[in-house]
Order: sequence, then C-alpha cells, then structure tokens
Amino acid sequence: EVQLVESGGGLIQPGGSLRLSCAASGITFSNSVMIWVRQAPGKGLEWVSFVSGGGDQTYYADSVRGRFTISRDNSKNTLYLQMNTLRVDDTAIYYCAKGVRTLWEAFDIWGRGTMVTVSS
Amino acid sequence: EIVLTQSPGTLSLSPGERATLSCRASQTVSGTFLAWYQHKPGQAPRLLIYGASSRATGIPDRFSGSGSGTDFTLTISRLEPEDFAVYYCQHYGGSPIYSFGQGTKLEIK
Repeated sequence: EVQLVESGGGLIQPGGSLRLSCAASGITFSNSVMIWVRQAPGKGLEWVSFVSGGGDQTYYADSVRGRFTISRDNSKNTLYLQMNTLRVDDTAIYYCAKGVRTLWEAFDIWGRGTMVTVSS
Repeated sequence: EIVLTQSPGTLSLSPGERATLSCRASQTVSGTFLAWYQHKPGQAPRLLIYGASSRATGIPDRFSGSGSGTDFTLTISRLEPEDFAVYYCQHYGGSPIYSFGQGTKLEIK
C-alpha cells in the first residue's frame, strides 16, 4: 500500500525542539521530491519546506528559515523535519507529501499529519 | 512574490449542482505549475488537478481544471455529497517556491 505516515508531534514549550518523521511505503522514495506543509488551527495550508530526491536541494518558507531543517534518509525511506526555536505560531498539523512521479510542481500522496502544539 | 487569491471564500450549493471555484495569481504564471487539492477535516489533502487541467490518478471526470495567465478555475460538474470540502490552489515557482491560495469552502446549501 502506498502511504506516508508522519510522527513526532506533540506538546512543546516555546523555544524547544522537535523532530518530525515521515515514513514512506509502497513508493520509490529516492525518486520523489518531498515537502512539508502545515495547517494552523482554523487556517489554510502553508508550505514549509522542500527537499529533492537526492537530498541535495532544499528550500524553506521565510517563516521557518534558519530554525527548521529538512532532510531525508533514502535507505530508510524516511523524511525528517528538525524544528528548533519553536514559537507559538508554529502550532499546526504538519503534513508530508510526495511529488507526482519525478515532478516538482504537484504532490499526489499525503500523510494524515502530526500535530505540533507550542505552548507554555 | 506570487500571491494566489481564491474566490469565493465560501460557496453554498446543493448536490447535483455545478461548482465553479476561482484562483487568481498576482502575476502571470505558467499553467504547468498550477494544481488543485481537496481537503476534508481529519484527512490528508488530495491532489485533484495538476498542470492546470490534468486530472490526477483516480479523480472522477466531474472534476476539471482550466485557465491560463493569472486566472484559473476548478469546476465540479455535478456535485456529489462527498465533494463538500475545502479546495486549495497551489503554485510552484518563484519566491516562495510553493504557495497556496487561502482556500474555498464548499458547503452544502
């Protein structure tokens, strides 16, 4: 079965760190670009970060650049998001998603998300 | 920065009716890089359309996408009960590299 499963979310104090994981199965993971997208409570979807299939190209939204780091381990079919210096406005459901075939412009497989709550 | 503006914010229709959702870009974009997603609470977002008009795998043909330049449209020809959800357009390219519209909520009238 083709699926992405996120984990690692939870309740964390402002200034803390979390590492999210996204485990992929049923796909050729190393051929696929991957992104993280988040949805804050009551808000729409916001793109967070991108990584190429080989992991050599990464991009970040301005709101997380310098605090979040995206990476992947193709031997483990797993995507990561290291989140440091967390802020209250980072509170959101975090989704990972896979690019369509080798394309960069759309994402056809999504996980169900993991909730991150930043609060004191 | 490319900003995507979706309209209307909320669309109230009945099953069987036709839905027309709009996505307007703040500057001319290539349709190759315009996609549409459906999102229901508690579920993963679902890719409907990419390249402005290509249906993703498994998407019913009542969903269609069109447009070019700055104006793009998602049309649902005949609404089914399971189509009521929030719909987002998304663009690739420029800075930021990806952007989403704010969403259109399609609700049952």
